[in-house]
Amino acid sequence: GNSVTQMEGPVTLSEEAFLTINCTYTATGYPSLFWYVQYPGEGLQLLLKATKADDKGSNKGFEATYRKETTSFHLEKGSVQVSDSAVYFCALSDPYSGAGSYQLTFGKGTKLSVIP
Amino acid sequence: DTAVSQTPKYLVTQMGNDKSIKCEQNLGHDTMYWYKQDSKKFLKIMFSYNNKELIINETVPNRFSPKSPDKAHLNLHINSLELGDSAVYFCASSQDRSLANTGELFFGEGSRLTVL
Repeated sequence: GNSVTQMEGPVTLSEEAFLTINCTYTATGYPSLFWYVQYPGEGLQLLLKATKADDKGSNKGFEATYRKETTSFHLEKGSVQVSDSAVYFCALSDPYSGAGSYQLTFGKGTKLSVIP
Repeated sequence: DTAVSQTPKYLVTQMGNDKSIKCEQNLGHDTMYWYKQDSKKFLKIMFSYNNKELIINETVPNRFSPKSPDKAHLNLHINSLELGDSAVYFCASSQDRSLANTGELFFGEGSRLTVL
């Protein structure tokens, strides 16, 4: 079955530090990959996505590159801000696994805290 | 206007009671979902409806019953509540049933259920 594995949190960084949150996946075919962010007290919202190998998704200074050879989609940001404190979820949708295209399979989430 | 709205936001109840959570989306989307988020932030899909038709029905106790009176509404009814049902329940919607291309789910703010 499909699965997403994220690095364990929580991650605590100082403002302006470099961020990497690792994400690897297992899927039947060639999934589409996503990062979602959940700010405190809110629902999840889409941060960025990539639908094929070597695609780079980017938004709000965050980037992630779809690496088929390592089945990874690591999230990076060059300089984090306090306002980036949130829980980050890696997810996939697999169009080759029947009902897998009708849902997102989420990782367990990584909590990021950025301190001034 | 809130795109995906859930009520109530907080629900505290005794074991054995029956409760409902309502969800409405004003985005004109065809597909709606219920996700459960446990205390460790792990998100798991429960149900998905496309134009009032059930398309995903994950392994959840049959005490949980979704109802979609029209494509803008998806309610969740829970019978005989148990301690383990305590969680945050998120409603979400997407433009269509296939998430492989857009992958964008629009989430409500969540309904925190506490069973005592």
